[in-house]
Amino acid sequence: EAQVTQNPRYLITVTGKKLTVTCSQNMNHEYMSWYRQDPGLGLRQIYYSMNVEVTDKGDVPEGYKVSRKEKRNFPLILESPSPNQTSLYFCASSNAGPYEQYFGPGTRLTVT
Amino acid sequence: EDQVTQSPEALRLQEGESSSLNCSYTVSGLRGLFWYRQDPGKGPEFLFTLYSAGEEKEKERLKATLTKKESFLHITAPKPEDSATYLCAVGGANSKLTFGKGITLSVRP
Repeated sequence: EAQVTQNPRYLITVTGKKLTVTCSQNMNHEYMSWYRQDPGLGLRQIYYSMNVEVTDKGDVPEGYKVSRKEKRNFPLILESPSPNQTSLYFCASSNAGPYEQYFGPGTRLTVT
Repeated sequence: EDQVTQSPEALRLQEGESSSLNCSYTVSGLRGLFWYRQDPGKGPEFLFTLYSAGEEKEKERLKATLTKKESFLHITAPKPEDSATYLCAVGGANSKLTFGKGITLSVRP
């Protein structure tokens, strides 16, 4: 089954404790992206990757890091999480550039 | 800067009551306009891509249309299972996808 998977699905952590949210897709897509979704603000892009070893900032990259060492994986790293990073995070992938993206199920992160 | 505005924010319909959702946009070099459906607690699900003014796409009770400034998602004779948040997004020359805030549709039986 074609899908984008994210882990963990739910995470509660404390300020400053480094964490990684994993994202994997099995569709051989070149394009992958991370978004955060907040009430009243909608979906905002954090980082994206056009291909392996190629990443670029989205609209809200501050406080996040990414890497793309393999085509199927695109982890999101929060090196020192803060409460304002409490949000619902989605990973997405596409074989048509940034368009017609397939989204993962989401990771709900709470930073206390 | 690309912008997307969706209206209304929320819409409540009776089953069978047809209506339209609006998406207004400004974009530099439109590469496509996209509609997604998002159910509570889930990731957005791709519905349609529209590339140029005058284009229309249909899927079951949904029909998406595009002009140079707006897109409409027409819902004909909706059913309760059509209840969801509908997201509009534009892809521009900057290779990014800009989303609107979404329209929450509730269809009462």
